[in-house]
Amino acid sequence: DAGVTQSPTHLIKTRGQQVTLRCSPKSGHDTVSWYQQALGQGPQFIFQYYEEEERQRGNFPDRFSGHQFPNYSSELNVNALLLGDSALYLCASSTRGTSNEKLFFGSGTQLSVL
Amino acid sequence: SQQGEEDPQALSIQEGENATMNCSYKTSINNLQWYRQNSGRGLVHLILIRSNEREKHSGRLRVTLDTSKKSSSLLITASRAADTASYFCATGTGTASKLTFGTGTRLQVTL
Repeated sequence: DAGVTQSPTHLIKTRGQQVTLRCSPKSGHDTVSWYQQALGQGPQFIFQYYEEEERQRGNFPDRFSGHQFPNYSSELNVNALLLGDSALYLCASSTRGTSNEKLFFGSGTQLSVL
Repeated sequence: SQQGEEDPQALSIQEGENATMNCSYKTSINNLQWYRQNSGRGLVHLILIRSNEREKHSGRLRVTLDTSKKSSSLLITASRAADTASYFCATGTGTASKLTFGTGTRLQVTL
């Protein structure tokens, strides 16, 4: 039973570029949440997708957008990258009925913006 | 923004000793969870306690919750070197989907 998988594991971009991160949820899960974790900090909620729609959003600018596909996998897109976007991006999956209980996290994508 | 803070920020103990970490939060919650993170990678769920519970056990873990003080503690008994990691508390509120994480405690267990 595969857990949450994220790709790529590492990514280096320059300021102003755009990036797409991908996530496949744990088998049986239909809800995907994205978190940003800056160095030395706890993860911060970006948004959550369920039934291919954004259901809840944290305090992040519109440069951060996402998508969920019919197979429940998800993408996180960040446009016009800033140096401050450098962080570990974590994907977490759950089921809708218990969407804020016992999240299963992927290993993350480490994004470096130069 | 972070929901709250963990205390201490860093903790170093010897194998076999107990480790206690504290978490404070700011708003009313439905549940509080603890997660472990090894080497800055993915988080692993450890234990969940609901707002109407005061104490919960799972193996070597004991969690307490005091909603009047908006605080929780995680006790790891008989620590092992493999327990070396960062530990985060996270709160869930109402029917909201998101979890709000604390700032974390870095635990170092030495032989």
